[in-house]
Amino acid sequence: DIQMTQSPSSLSASIGDRVTITCRASQGISDYLAWYQQKPGKVPKLLIYAASTLHSGVPSRFSGSGSGTDFTLTISSLQPEDVATYYCQRYNSAPRTFGQGTKVEIK
Amino acid sequence: EVQLVESGGGLVQPGGSLRLSCAASGFSFSTNSMNWVRQAPGKGLEWVSYISSGSSNIYYADSVKGRFTISRDNAKNSLSLQMNSLRDEDTAVYYCARGLDTRVATPIAYWGQGTLVTVSS
Repeated sequence: DIQMTQSPSSLSASIGDRVTITCRASQGISDYLAWYQQKPGKVPKLLIYAASTLHSGVPSRFSGSGSGTDFTLTISSLQPEDVATYYCQRYNSAPRTFGQGTKVEIK
Repeated sequence: EVQLVESGGGLVQPGGSLRLSCAASGFSFSTNSMNWVRQAPGKGLEWVSYISSGSSNIYYADSVKGRFTISRDNAKNSLSLQMNSLRDEDTAVYYCARGLDTRVATPIAYWGQGTLVTVSS
């Protein structure tokens, strides 16, 4: 099975900082990669799909890139409401594995 | 508005069974694939199972294969997950989840609020 590995597992950054989270697939998955945001106590929300397409209603400070095995989620200017855990997921075939998550906190 | 409402969670002993249900509304249930995703307390998301719109394609995570069965009733707009031989490590919030669109390869865009399953003696 294809494994999805995120890094880092957690990070602390200041308001306004540029934040980058990476996700690596153990085999190529083309661009069948989604990013989700889960705030504490809340249901996950879709941020980005097809590796770089912003889901409806998601702020433009979020962006995604990559194809094949290496992917990146970038928050261009970190805001207080971005405190959350972020997950990548492959969805091209089963098992539709999630990454282990990256917890983002404010410094 | 898309609504997914799970039910059926609760406390069950190891080795026991439980059946989760998900009532869907606000969209054409019969044309959308569905998933179950779970999250153990304090842990990350784990995809559990997928069923295509017409039930012709069904997939499971290795961790539940042979123990869990996903099914759907398009006439009743309902999704189910039959869970047998439950283990402590199956303790989690279980989410019913719908894809973004009707394609086979589609990300999850809609989530229920989840139902808690606790496996403990």
